[in-house]
Amino acid sequence: AQSVTQPDIHITVSEGASLELRCNYSYGATPYLFWYVQSPGQGLQLLLKYFSGDTLVQGIKGFEAEFKRSQSSFNLRKPSVHWSDAAEYFCAVAPDAGNMLTFGGGTRLMVKP
Amino acid sequence: DAGITQSPRHKVTETGTPVTLRCHQTENHRYMYWYRQDPGHGLRLIHYSYGVKDTDKGEVSDGYSVSRSKTEDFLLTLESATSSQTSVYFCASHRDSTDTQYFGPGTRLTVL
Repeated sequence: AQSVTQPDIHITVSEGASLELRCNYSYGATPYLFWYVQSPGQGLQLLLKYFSGDTLVQGIKGFEAEFKRSQSSFNLRKPSVHWSDAAEYFCAVAPDAGNMLTFGGGTRLMVKP
Repeated sequence: DAGITQSPRHKVTETGTPVTLRCHQTENHRYMYWYRQDPGHGLRLIHYSYGVKDTDKGEVSDGYSVSRSKTEDFLLTLESATSSQTSVYFCASHRDSTDTQYFGPGTRLTVL
């Protein structure tokens, strides 16, 4: 069975600073990988996904993520954080076609002015 | 994104009472899911459906049942609510063309 670990429960960054959120997965083959964002009181919105091909994927709101097979990681990055990025971020893995997602525990991002 | 609505959005109930949460989608998606969200656990799958009357259990299905009599509606029932079922419940559906799940706004359930 697959599993996902997000090692950082909370992260605080200053507005304008760069951001990296970590995600490690456990799965025997190459999984389908996703990052979702949840603003307070809202549902989950897809930021980006990786299925195959180029290991650096671009998403919405200026986010990108890099798949590293050797490290079983799919870290999320943004070069300059905006106050509106404050939210909770979830990494998820699926064995195929995004049908059966397993989520990490989430990372709550706070942005200092 | 996928026209998913959930009702009610908030509910407070008492231990031992039955509760039904409704998920409605307008995009004719075949797969639908119910998750619960608890701090530190992310989202955990309760049940899912792969078509009308076709459902299966997820990771945390004990104490929950589901039904899907129409493509657009997926119901989650707590037969006898317990305090451990206090949580935020999310419904999702899967869009085949993008191989992606899209989520509803959630239902906050409190069991006293």
